[in-house]
Amino acid sequence: QVQLQESGPGVVKTSETLALKCTVSGVSLSTSPYYWSWIRQIPGKGLEWIGYIYYSGSTYYNPALKGRVAMSVDRPLNQFSLDVNSVTAADTAVYYCVTVVAAFGDYFDFWGQGMLVSVAS
Amino acid sequence: QSVLTQPPSASGTPGQRVTISCSGTSSNIGKNTVNWYQQLPGVAPKLVMFVNDNRPSGVPDRFSGSKSGTSASLAITGLQSDDEADYFCAVWDDSLKGWVFGGGTRLTVL
Repeated sequence: QVQLQESGPGVVKTSETLALKCTVSGVSLSTSPYYWSWIRQIPGKGLEWIGYIYYSGSTYYNPALKGRVAMSVDRPLNQFSLDVNSVTAADTAVYYCVTVVAAFGDYFDFWGQGMLVSVAS
Repeated sequence: QSVLTQPPSASGTPGQRVTISCSGTSSNIGKNTVNWYQQLPGVAPKLVMFVNDNRPSGVPDRFSGSKSGTSASLAITGLQSDDEADYFCAVWDDSLKGWVFGGGTRLTVL
């Protein structure tokens, strides 16, 4: 059974870097047809896709986040990570790590439970 | 303002059929497949429909999906109280070069 678990600080100061990790169990990061994504949700609001990463380390980020995002993989630990730099209050959200299935149309499949990250001044 | 347009709310009584719409453009729904997610309060979204009209295992056949042109719909028949949740549509947008979501529809079972 595929499970994802986010971890990291629940509070980050304005202008600093938000850093989260996602530990994956039940499947290897290298398993086809999966690749890996981060999505966030402002409490009570809609969803925003942040970016995705392949096992190879290739990445693609939401252009709307203007280069503040970086993702990486840690193959031995079966983890992938998210960094968002220069955070503001607008980055306060629940952050989800998610599997993406590459099929005849890609889709988000398994989700972590989500982690609330608050940006404080 | 979400790229995909959903009605903010929908409702029905137990046993009824409800439909939730998702309206997009030629750069997203018009070209790519649509997925639907159910989100119960306080938990992560759950996939209920993928690639327009495919149900994941474990999702009841009361749920169905369709797509036509630049719009998609999720239909739920035989409405039950545990269907009460927020529902989001999602699709890849070729112009924005990223995944986009609808604003969500809160389904209430009266």
